[in-house]
Amino acid sequence: GAGVSQTPSNKVTEKGKYVELRCDPISGHTALYWYRQSLGQGPEFLIYFQGTGAADDSGLPNDRFFAVRPEGSVSTLKIQRTERGDSAVYLCASSLKTSGSYEQYFGPGTRLTVT
Amino acid sequence: AQSVTQLGSHVSVSEGALVLLRCNYSSSVPPYLFWYVQYPNQGLQLLLKYTSAATLVKGINGFEAEFKKSETSFHLTKPSAHMSDAAEYFCAVKSDGGGTSYGKLTFGQGTILTVHP
Repeated sequence: GAGVSQTPSNKVTEKGKYVELRCDPISGHTALYWYRQSLGQGPEFLIYFQGTGAADDSGLPNDRFFAVRPEGSVSTLKIQRTERGDSAVYLCASSLKTSGSYEQYFGPGTRLTVT
Repeated sequence: AQSVTQLGSHVSVSEGALVLLRCNYSSSVPPYLFWYVQYPNQGLQLLLKYTSAATLVKGINGFEAEFKKSETSFHLTKPSAHMSDAAEYFCAVKSDGGGTSYGKLTFGQGTILTVHP
């Protein structure tokens, strides 16, 4: 079956612009996660959804970052007034459930470059 | 709060040699532990996971890891390295202790494995 997909695969934008990153989870997965991976670092948690609601957004760095999942499937990560420090690979993952040892399946990521 | 420390950002081995990638974790509640592999320009792929059923866990591609509670470690090993094992490896911890830690993975910094002929 299809895995987690993310679009675009690469995004180059100018400082101050607005960007949207999209994630299509595996069909039937109720939990969806966003992580950010800076160069040379491990992924860092941003936010996760259980269904349509954001169950934990404690990893969002500031109020320029926002994510939605209106129908409990596709999610969009939105970044306003981008800064050069936002440059990173943004990873999306989904899993059947949030609890327990259910595996998180990762997408290929969106590489964001802010110039 | 939970954390993961991977000792050694780079590990280099000869083809056929033992692979040992170290991971130590900190968690206030019994954890779930994971090893992921990341090939260049690809997403993370699960190698194996510890779910408290058995302390020695076998994963894909001949990798295994042993959970040692007394040492708070979950080191990844493979008896004989192959050229195709060259990649970056991440250890991660997940706690179901409730609160803000519920559900999310906390990753280590990663270890780049190089395999030379």
